[in-house]
Amino acid sequence: SSELTQDPAVSVALGQTVRITCQGDSLRNYYPTWLQQKPGQAPMLVIFGKNNRPSGIPDRFSGSSSGNTASLTITGALAEDEADYYCNSRDSSGKGYVFGTGTKVTVL
Amino acid sequence: QVQLQQWGAGLLKPSETLSLTCAVYGGSLSDFYWTWIRQPPGKGLEWIGEIIHSGGTNYNPSLKSRVSISMDTSKNQFSLNLNSVTAADTAVYYCARRNAFDIWGQGTMVTVSS
Repeated sequence: SSELTQDPAVSVALGQTVRITCQGDSLRNYYPTWLQQKPGQAPMLVIFGKNNRPSGIPDRFSGSSSGNTASLTITGALAEDEADYYCNSRDSSGKGYVFGTGTKVTVL
Repeated sequence: QVQLQQWGAGLLKPSETLSLTCAVYGGSLSDFYWTWIRQPPGKGLEWIGEIIHSGGTNYNPSLKSRVSISMDTSKNQFSLNLNSVTAADTAVYYCARRNAFDIWGQGTMVTVSS
């Protein structure tokens, strides 16, 4: 079973703000990465480290962490943001990695 | 710009060995860790393991007894072998650069069926 837990699905109205959460003990020691995956495509990195965006990722994506919970926030969601989102961090041993269970974001 | 291109057999019978290769273009294997991840149909992502240029590896404990990751620096490629496959190993397999998982291959669908 995954050591990182996410809500299975969330929905957001076009232009509104949505927060996706990820819970796990390893998040107390490691910042997560956040990945976006659209149907039939490979995942794409959207947030890494404390709150860093790779080149080309719009600033409506932001990340935060507190205790054992990390969050990805999309401020002003667009239709193109509809996708599955996965968090990722070190596993409990600190040697490997684990992905969250994934959250399907629907933009209404 | 670094790109990953992967290939390998897409249809296996139970008990056979899955073999996939990932080539790194526009960059060197000597930098970063390189990983394999898989995704069963309709399910989430699972980290399989990783390798660094020194040849050191880390594997998912749940797969460790069956998995091997290697690299060929002369070809700038790294490979995944997973033996004794079953239907539960049916998935899309991805290679990726473990720099916050910033670069991914295109994925290879592997089906295990008798």
